[in-house]
Amino acid sequence: QVQLVESGGGLVKPGGSLRLSCAGSGFSFSDNYMTWIRQAPGKGLEWVSYISSSSSTIYYADSVKGRFTISRDNTKNSVFLQMNSLRAEDTAVYYCASQNVLLWFGELRLVDAFDIWGQGTTVTVSS
Amino acid sequence: ELVLTQSPDTLSLSPGERATLSCRASQSVTSGYLAWYQQKPGQAPRLLMYGVSNRATDIPDRFSGSGSGTDFTLTISRLEPEDFAVYYCQHSGTSYWTFGQGTKVEIK
Repeated sequence: QVQLVESGGGLVKPGGSLRLSCAGSGFSFSDNYMTWIRQAPGKGLEWVSYISSSSSTIYYADSVKGRFTISRDNTKNSVFLQMNSLRAEDTAVYYCASQNVLLWFGELRLVDAFDIWGQGTTVTVSS
Repeated sequence: ELVLTQSPDTLSLSPGERATLSCRASQSVTSGYLAWYQQKPGQAPRLLMYGVSNRATDIPDRFSGSGSGTDFTLTISRLEPEDFAVYYCQHSGTSYWTFGQGTKVEIK
């Protein structure tokens, strides 16, 4: 079945680093863009980073720019988030999410919406 | 960047009632890329609606989306017990993706 599975979360001290991984299966991973979205405890959803299917286009939220790096390996159906210089405000559940083939004006195509989600991995930044 | 503001923050309703959730954009959404998600405690969000008014896979027809420009609405025609959750609207920009702050639909 279609799924994304994140790993790599944990407890890290401020200023430390962590690398998150997300493995996809059940869909054509190399055709899809991939994103990371986070949710601080008791808060809403915040988009963090985007990588296009071929890795040619990458975007970051201002809150993580210069500290986080997204990458992917289509041979392993995986996307990664390298997080450096971590701060307390980075504490959150991190989800990887992707698009899916949906009906768009009568045509099946990859739609820009987050239809495939992982279960999330928790990152806690605390001394 | 476009900002999405949802209202109300909390909606207290009974099963069987109609729920109307609002999402207002700080500038016009010209691309049509406006989606809605449902999130239950301890779970990942689930896509409900995309392209303003298209239901995602296996979403029941009691859910509908509408709107244009800066004002968008998610309507749940008759609330079922499993519909009590938090709902987020979301816009896909050119180089960013943004969510509203969420509306919690709770049992009255």
